[in-house]
Amino acid sequence: AQKVTQAQTEISVVEKEDVTLDCVYETRDTTYYLFWYKQPPSGELVFLIRRNSFDEQNEISGRYSWNFQKSTSSFNFTITASQVVDSAVYFCALGGADGLTFGKGTHLIIQP
Amino acid sequence: SAVISQKPSRDICQRGTSLTIQCQVDSQVTMMFWYRQQPGQSLTLIATANQGSEATYESGFVIDKFPISRPNLTFSTLTVSNMSPEDSSIYLCSVGPSGSDEQFFGPGTRLTVL
Repeated sequence: AQKVTQAQTEISVVEKEDVTLDCVYETRDTTYYLFWYKQPPSGELVFLIRRNSFDEQNEISGRYSWNFQKSTSSFNFTITASQVVDSAVYFCALGGADGLTFGKGTHLIIQP
Repeated sequence: SAVISQKPSRDICQRGTSLTIQCQVDSQVTMMFWYRQQPGQSLTLIATANQGSEATYESGFVIDKFPISRPNLTFSTLTVSNMSPEDSSIYLCSVGPSGSDEQFFGPGTRLTVL
């Protein structure tokens, strides 16, 4: 069975601080995909990134960066110089051939 | 990326009635997925809808309660049957070739059952 753990239920930081959202996963599959989604208060689910299990290179996209470490089964997400618009619930998800398994989400609050 | 629309965007329904949610995609896709997000919770996969075959349901979800249709490669419906207040959730459809590719989600249908 697949499992995704986001241990941080809620994080609150002041604008311009850096913040890291943790994600730990469990799977028996040798090929799998990891995702991050953002869900702002409006409710839509916004795709942020997909990473496959064979690619452990870290990725940077603007203020966002992702650290994939297979040895620790982690796929952490860092926002640099956070902004109020980053306030949302962030979900980490694990994908196989049969849909996605989501973590419980981390509610990120960026205070001005 | 696929553009996904859902109808209705929200609805308020009475206990014991049924609601059918539509999901339309702007391109042909192999697999479509239906998820439920209960208030303040994460997303849970209900079923996978493949064109030309019966939907595959996850543990805890049954066809009698959540019948699904997939008449073609761009459209699917999810019916929430004999609703109770516990069915109040956001229902989202998602598309992706195999569940492992970029999965995009529709805007969701916010259902409230009184």
